[in-house]
Amino acid sequence: AQSVTQLDSHVSVSEGTPVLLRCNYSSSYSPSLFWYVQHPNKGLQLLLKYTSAATLVKGINGFEAEFKKSETSFHLTKPSAHMSDAAEYFCVVSPYNQGGKLIFGQGTELSVKP
Amino acid sequence: NAGVTQTPKFQVLKTGQSMTLQCAQDMNHNSMYWYRQDPGMGLRLIYYSASEGTTDKGEVPNGYNVSRLNKREFSLRLESAAPSQTSVYFCASIARGQGYETQYFGPGTRLLVL
Repeated sequence: AQSVTQLDSHVSVSEGTPVLLRCNYSSSYSPSLFWYVQHPNKGLQLLLKYTSAATLVKGINGFEAEFKKSETSFHLTKPSAHMSDAAEYFCVVSPYNQGGKLIFGQGTELSVKP
Repeated sequence: NAGVTQTPKFQVLKTGQSMTLQCAQDMNHNSMYWYRQDPGMGLRLIYYSASEGTTDKGEVPNGYNVSRLNKREFSLRLESAAPSQTSVYFCASIARGQGYETQYFGPGTRLLVL
């Protein structure tokens, strides 16, 4: 069965320092992987996605993620946090040939301190 | 181009009441989905419709019914609301139902069942 585990429920960083949000997945075949962001009381916005092309994926707002098949990981990083990055982040897997269904991780809340 | 729209934005129900959540997309997408979001659990798939005229159960379908009224609209019905259905509900759509595609989410409906 496919699943997604976000290793931290909450991450706190200072403004200007790097961000690392960790995600491990389990999937029988090569999945598509996504990171979505949700600001308070808002809908979900796509940050980036991996679809079996380049393993290093660049997204919006300076975020990027690296697909590592050997480690079954898809960690999200940003070199320098901004106050506006404070939000909840979801790692998501779309299993192969499953009609586009998404399986969400539990979410990581990112806090950014001044 | 409004994307995915949901109505209502917020609703309070008493236990046992019924209601229908409406979702519409104007992107000519084939596949549509209903998710619920609960604290600490990410989003979970309730029902989905791979194409007009078809619907299938997701991870948590109990207590819900759906109707794919036409290509644009996909409604979610609670026949007899229960407090456990207090949640935020998101509708999403995807162009062809392939896993590598981006899902577009609506703004959500907050439902409180007393």
